[in-house]
Amino acid sequence: DSGVTQTPKHLITATGQRVTLRCSPRSGDLSVYWYQQSLDQGLQFLIQYYNGEERAKGNILERFSAQQFPDLHSELNLSSLELGDSALYFCASSVDLNNEQFFGPGTRLTVL
Amino acid sequence: GNSVTQMEGPVTLSEEAFLTINCTYTATGYPSLFWYVQYPGEGLQLLLKATKADDKGSNKGFEATYRKETTSFHLEKGSVQVSDSAVYFCALSDNTGFQKLVFGTGTRLLVSP
Repeated sequence: DSGVTQTPKHLITATGQRVTLRCSPRSGDLSVYWYQQSLDQGLQFLIQYYNGEERAKGNILERFSAQQFPDLHSELNLSSLELGDSALYFCASSVDLNNEQFFGPGTRLTVL
Repeated sequence: GNSVTQMEGPVTLSEEAFLTINCTYTATGYPSLFWYVQYPGEGLQLLLKATKADDKGSNKGFEATYRKETTSFHLEKGSVQVSDSAVYFCALSDNTGFQKLVFGTGTRLLVSP
């Protein structure tokens, strides 16, 4: 157990809908990262937050957004969902900007 | 941009066999290199890392050496166990830290008794 929690574990929804994925970092970790793992794209970095502020952006679609709250938990919002958004979404956390990332168990999103 | 190329899987071995999973990278500057392991139904765990050329990362019997001249970071283990069955990801970061990890496609290892 990495200490990073993600909810929900599974999510099934329809095209065009909007969902929110939640991540709670390890106690004391200030940085949160989001990754998408899909069969065709592999594992891709989406976005990073540090102490509430966005610090790095990867291949994140405009339909996706994220935020980190004052209690350091983070949410990833996915809107206007398409079939191709079906994937495993991982959250990771680290103590600061340049330390080992600890991964959560992931949220499996299925878009029908 | 930065990229990582891993050998295709699955790699199927018998217990106690020697393991090599090839990884090569393309990057500007001096990236840090990592191997992550993903067991079924779990998130990724850092297996080992190397932050500069000729560094050797090692953990749980696994080893990998950062070879700048061949831009490689091959994962090796002398004697695999059934419990090593998992998906292994090679990754790099474009600075000396862990930000913006770029992953390879992953290699599934299946070890039979």
